[in-house]
Parts: sequence; structure tokens; C-alpha cells
Amino acid sequence: DAGVIQSPRHEVTEMGQEVTLRCKPISGHNSLFWYRQTMMRGLELLIYFNNNVPIDDSGMPEDRFSAKMPNASFSTLKIQPSEPRDSAVYFCASTTPETEVDTQYFGPGTRLTVL
Amino acid sequence: GESVGLHLPTLSVQEGDNSIINCAYSNSASDYFIWYKQESGKGPQFIIDIRSNMDKRQGQRVTVLLNKTVKHLSLQIAATQPGDSAVYFCAETTRSARQLTFGSGTQLTVLP
Repeated sequence: DAGVIQSPRHEVTEMGQEVTLRCKPISGHNSLFWYRQTMMRGLELLIYFNNNVPIDDSGMPEDRFSAKMPNASFSTLKIQPSEPRDSAVYFCASTTPETEVDTQYFGPGTRLTVL
Repeated sequence: GESVGLHLPTLSVQEGDNSIINCAYSNSASDYFIWYKQESGKGPQFIIDIRSNMDKRQGQRVTVLLNKTVKHLSLQIAATQPGDSAVYFCAETTRSARQLTFGSGTQLTVLP
């Protein structure tokens, strides 16, 4: 079975540029989570969706960050304009309430470097 | 001032020995706990979970122990292998919240 798919795996961009990260959750999963991981702050939840609807975006750092989930099989995290402090690994995870427990399954991550 | 980077606790064990990784969780209302393993360059990978109505759960070579009185979780790995070298995170949540709160992680290094 395909796991969570993220693209690109690596992104290097210059400060001020727009960055779009993509995620395809596991088929049948109806909850999707975006995380950011840095050495300074560890794993941080940015936003999560349930049935394509954003439920909690309190972790989104600022207005430069936005996330969408237009359908059950695709989500994007956009940073505009990007800044060097946004450099991190961004993970997407998905889960389903159909299982008895809400185990989240993570994608391989996108390593973002903003110069 | 700016805080320094996270200082991950580290654990080094000899190949074949047992490993015990500890985690103190923060929310006494948490009722579901998960251990994740993260290898270099990869996303966190589910290892084992436990509900708050249990105090022990065993998997293949791994055992999770939960002590709700002191809000402590541990992961025991039997006969540790080189492939077990990774950062291990505990995560907690409540069924109603559905959001995971991750600990800072422990770096496990298996020595030959």
C-alpha cells in the first residue's frame, strides 16, 4: 500500500519566493495534519483537516502560511513570501477514525531551505 | 534571548542488549500514547501505542509501559539491533482532541 506521499522531497528557494508543498494522504484516511520539524522547536503541529475542513490552524506561524485541502486526496501548504527562518522539514500525516485508535502515519517530509 | 537548539537526550547501547527509553508526558487528561521512530532523513514511523486503561503492551521486540500516577511512559526494545538506531518520540493525545503532542525525542545509538 502506498503511504503518505509528499512532494517535493527537497526545495531550495530564495527569500521572498513563494513555496508550495504538496501532500497526498493514504487512501481512505479522512484526517490530514501538517507538521514542521526544526532542531530549535522539534515537531510542531501547524494545521489539521478533518473531511477536508480545517479544524485547528492555531499552529500556523503567521499569515504568510496557508493550507488548503480541495479534496480528500490532496493538500497543499503554501508559504508566501518565504523567509530563511522557514527553513525546516515539513511533514504531512494522515489518519482515519475507522480504526479504533487515531494513529497518524507520516510522509517522508519536504526539506525546505530558504536562502 | 533566543533559545538554543533542542538538546536531545542520548542513549548508547551495545548490540544485543536491551534498551529502555523514557518519556514524561504533560497532560494528565491524555488517554492515548504512541511511540514513533524517526530514522535520519525519514518521517516518524509508528512503533507501538497504548491506551490509558492499560499499563503494559507488547509488540515484536518492543514493550511500552505506562505509569499514569507519575505521568511516565517507557519503551523497551529487546535485543537491540543496529537498525534500531534512530530518534524515538513519545506522543500523547486525548480521543476528543485528536491532536498529538510530541516529546522532544531521544537519540538511540546502537554500538557494534
